[in-house]
Amino acid sequence: GENVEQHPSTLSVQEGDSAVIKCTYSDSASNYFPWYKQELGKRPQLIIDIRSNVGEKKDQRIAVTLNKTAKHFSLHITETQPEDSAVYFCAASGGGWSGSEKLVFGKGTKLTVNP
Amino acid sequence: NAGVMQNPRHLVRRRGQEARLRCSPMKGHSHVYWYRQLPEEGLKFMVYLQKENIIDESGMPKERFSAEFPKEGPSILRIQQVVRGDSAAYFCASSPAGQISEAFFGQGTRLTVV
Repeated sequence: GENVEQHPSTLSVQEGDSAVIKCTYSDSASNYFPWYKQELGKRPQLIIDIRSNVGEKKDQRIAVTLNKTAKHFSLHITETQPEDSAVYFCAASGGGWSGSEKLVFGKGTKLTVNP
Repeated sequence: NAGVMQNPRHLVRRRGQEARLRCSPMKGHSHVYWYRQLPEEGLKFMVYLQKENIIDESGMPKERFSAEFPKEGPSILRIQQVVRGDSAAYFCASSPAGQISEAFFGQGTRLTVV
């Protein structure tokens, strides 16, 4: 089955700096890669996602890149703000109808943005 | 649309009791996923269901855990004879059929076993 590795487990940056979180996956059939943000005691919320037919996607200060050959994808947050502080999870999914739709998550990165 | 509704939000059980966690999917969503999150850890897949059918239960412990999604009513995750190690946050997500990109998580049920 799919296995997702996420690094680093903790990341501390100064406000205004950029943050990068990296994930690798094992199943070459995976074709959908979302990123979730989870604040303390709250539900995971989707912040951005990418499909395997795209190499990069950007939404304001957040971007995701995907390298299918190397089976890794990354989250980039620019101009970080204190409200970006949270735990970020990457995930991978087969995205199909065969039961492979389930999301397999990385272990998370705790991002702290220092004012 | 009220989103994915989970109840209770907090549940305390003594060792050996049963825990029942409920999840009502978003309107129009026919698929439900259950995940377990231990403190300081990621989300571990447990089970994936559609109404009256379990699609994938590869993440469910072999004993004490069961899940259902009946034709009418919420999806239920049942844990029998709870142990301290079952203490965790249990999240439910729902999606339309075949559209994992539309998955939406509920607020979770935090189970504490004392």
